[in-house]
Amino acid sequence: GAVVSQHPSRVICKSGTSVKIECRSLDFQATTMFWYRQFPKKSLMLMATSNEGSKATYEQGVEKDKFLINHASLTLSTLTVTSAHPEDSSFYICSAVPGLAPNYGYTFGSGTRLTVV
Amino acid sequence: AQTVTQSQPEMSVQEAETVTLSCTYDTSESNYYLFWYKQPPSRQMILVIRQEAYKQQNATENRFSVNFQKAAKSFSLKISDSQLGDTAMYFCAFMKQGAQKLVFGQGTRLTINP
Repeated sequence: GAVVSQHPSRVICKSGTSVKIECRSLDFQATTMFWYRQFPKKSLMLMATSNEGSKATYEQGVEKDKFLINHASLTLSTLTVTSAHPEDSSFYICSAVPGLAPNYGYTFGSGTRLTVV
Repeated sequence: AQTVTQSQPEMSVQEAETVTLSCTYDTSESNYYLFWYKQPPSRQMILVIRQEAYKQQNATENRFSVNFQKAAKSFSLKISDSQLGDTAMYFCAFMKQGAQKLVFGQGTRLTINP
């Protein structure tokens, strides 16, 4: 089945530094990937839509300069949290659509727990 | 804009019991897709079941089935013979036809007790 690999699973960084999270589709090509943020015991909040070869589309209220997204290939999207602050600490999840049929459901990565100290 | 509402923040049942999680949604679209996702303590999102709005027949996947009421805009999930491994957050999600974005409900935390 379709597998999405997300790395790292956990990261701790110092305030003011940047951290990169990778999302890879292992056995399929994904022209579109999605990045979510999830607060404890809350639902998933869509941050941005990552499009291969073009600029990402950010949801309202998401700072594009803080959350840099690069979708350089059909199997890799990266989210870089720049100048991280403690309030950026959260659980970040990516997802991708196998094939051209999003209505069959997305495949999600296992998530990254970011802690900014 | 579409909205998805899950009115039960938490539910708890005994192992082997049947439990139903509710979900309602608001849309003016006629063609769309509905999903239930499970997020166990590992935090990995897993697709449980999906339903096409144009299909009247309710989707079923082993112990999981849905009650899709299009006119009422209701999409409940029934888990039969519940197991300890069913303990998880369950999210109802909506996607309109031709779109790629999923709209999630707030989630229901389900606990299966031994």
